[in-house]
Amino acid sequence: DTGVSQDPRHKITKRGQNVTFRCDPISEHNRLYWYRQTLGQGPEFLTYFQNEAQLEKSRLLSDRFSAERPKGSFSTLEIQRTEQGDSAMYLCASSSAGTPNYGYTFGSGTRLTVV
Amino acid sequence: KNQVEQSPQSLIILEGKNCTLQCNYTVSPFSNLRWYKQDTGRGPVSLTIMTFSENTKSNGRYTATLDADTKQSSLHITASQLSDSASYICVVSDSGGGADGLTFGKGTHLIIQP
Repeated sequence: DTGVSQDPRHKITKRGQNVTFRCDPISEHNRLYWYRQTLGQGPEFLTYFQNEAQLEKSRLLSDRFSAERPKGSFSTLEIQRTEQGDSAMYLCASSSAGTPNYGYTFGSGTRLTVV
Repeated sequence: KNQVEQSPQSLIILEGKNCTLQCNYTVSPFSNLRWYKQDTGRGPVSLTIMTFSENTKSNGRYTATLDADTKQSSLHITASQLSDSASYICVVSDSGGGADGLTFGKGTHLIIQP
């Protein structure tokens, strides 16, 4: 297992287009988290899953954002009708429900640029 | 409201020198505090994790301290190397264990000059 994988690493899209990112967590981790990070800021929580259930969503997650984890393994984050303000690094992290805060591992992120 | 404040916001030092980064928090109830290193364009990587009962923890040239009474932590880097150039993020967890139980600082941007 090579840790948390995110794809793509970089994405440039035109305003108004839809984009989808993928996250593959550490295989034995049943919790998966999405964060957004802008330049000079710490990560901001967006949403998290335990297995396939989406348990929490931040108010930052507008109607244009949707996340899924259909089989409790990988997850996708889709942004519809992208806006320039969506430009950010999107980070995924995973952990085990038994030790949710200790085994917390981040992926390398997907850098989104909306032009 | 839970908050994590880091200082300085940015720091430039010469290669080989030591430095100390600060983290003050108001998270309650407290579960653990961790320091992450984030290289530019990469995800954060955990350096140390400390619980309430631990007041120091080392990881190579990185040494973190925790004073749970004053709610302060520091990260000391010894004999800095060019590869230490990164952002260092302090993250404090409350005892809730939920996803939003983590409070992130904004990070200290460290630049090591040759």
